[in-house]
Amino acid sequence: KQEVTQIPAALSVPEGENLVLNCSFTDSAIYNLQWFRQDPGKGLTSLLLIQSSQREQTSGRLNASLDKSSGRSTLYIAASQPGDSATYLCAVINAGANSKLTFGKGITLSVRP
Amino acid sequence: EPEVTQTPSHQVTQMGQEVILRCVPISNHLYFYWYRQILGQKVEFLVSFYNNEISEKSEIFDDQFSVERPDGSNFTLKIRSTKLEDSAMYFCASSEHGGSSGEQYFGPGTRLTVT
Repeated sequence: KQEVTQIPAALSVPEGENLVLNCSFTDSAIYNLQWFRQDPGKGLTSLLLIQSSQREQTSGRLNASLDKSSGRSTLYIAASQPGDSATYLCAVINAGANSKLTFGKGITLSVRP
Repeated sequence: EPEVTQTPSHQVTQMGQEVILRCVPISNHLYFYWYRQILGQKVEFLVSFYNNEISEKSEIFDDQFSVERPDGSNFTLKIRSTKLEDSAMYFCASSEHGGSSGEQYFGPGTRLTVT
């Protein structure tokens, strides 16, 4: 059974810092990995999708990498801003899973002005 | 930009009552999903739907749950007899493709409170 882990559960950084959020998964047979942002009490906003054949994806200040064989992904946020404060979730689709996403619990990021 | 919408945003119901949660997926999307998030816990998969039938469901999705696409735009989740433990945020999602290229887009959620 696929397990997705995100450690630490919370992170606080000063504005302007570059940071890395980690995600690990136990079963490397995945179709893709998706990073989401969730603001308190709100829905999930898709940030990046990395297909299993890709190593990384970039969108603006965000860069996500995937190392399928070691079961790891990282989300790199450059020059963090207070508006980046949110919970960041990673989720994977297992091969043969009919598109079901398995989520980690998320990392709650606070960027201090 | 197209988005997934959900109604209502908040539903309060008494234990044993039936509820229907509604979703309008992105118009050209073919794959539809329901997930839920109990307060403080992970987002959990409930069911996926493609070509007018369920393609996968979790063990949470028992006989009390059903999904329907009653017309070309709506996708609904029905809970027949709600329990206290059904209280959660319910998210609808849709994707244009399945499998590896199926980026899922989520709605804002319906907060269900069962009293």
